[in-house]
Amino acid sequence: KAGVTQTPRYLIKTRGQQVTLSCSPISGHRSVSWYQQTPGQGLQFLFEYFSETQRNKGNFPGRFSGRQFSNSRSEMNVSTLELGDSALYLCASSQTADTQYFGPGTRLTVL
Amino acid sequence: GESVGLHLPTLSVQEGDNSIINCAYSNSASDYFIWYKQESGKGPQFIIDIRSNMDKRQGQRVTVLLNKTVKHLSLQIAATQPGDSAVYFCAETLGNAGNMLTFGGGTRLMVKP
Repeated sequence: KAGVTQTPRYLIKTRGQQVTLSCSPISGHRSVSWYQQTPGQGLQFLFEYFSETQRNKGNFPGRFSGRQFSNSRSEMNVSTLELGDSALYLCASSQTADTQYFGPGTRLTVL
Repeated sequence: GESVGLHLPTLSVQEGDNSIINCAYSNSASDYFIWYKQESGKGPQFIIDIRSNMDKRQGQRVTVLLNKTVKHLSLQIAATQPGDSAVYFCAETLGNAGNMLTFGGGTRLMVKP
């Protein structure tokens, strides 16, 4: 089975812009979760989608949003980018509420 | 777990020795725990998990121990190899919280050949 894929792998944006990241889960997995990883805050949970519905949400501002499509693929969007949004954004998929498998991440740099 | 940011605790071991990586988790109600390994430039890779109704679980060369009394988790790696060099994270979650993982700050394992 192919693993979790994320596109793009690298992205450079400027402050004030918006960005959309994409995640394709492992085939058959219906849950997709997103995490932000930074040197200062470590790995932090953003949100989880299951069957196109947001099931859980972390403590991030409303500029961070996501959605899931009927084929379980997910996108996350960050609007009005700030310097502090520079991070590795990780997507993880699982079948239900069990082991999550992570993708390689999208490295976002905000200038 | 506590985030230590850039200054990750580092464990340096000799190839062939056993490694023990420790983690203090934060929520006494957590009932599912996972260890992940993250190599440079990659996403976290699942190593082993344990549920709160167990205190020990073994995999291939790895063992996870859970002490709920003191909220402590450990990962033991037998016969550590250079390929084990990475950052290791523990994660916890509540079974009814879906897939919302709370991660510890991580420990860097360096294996000397």
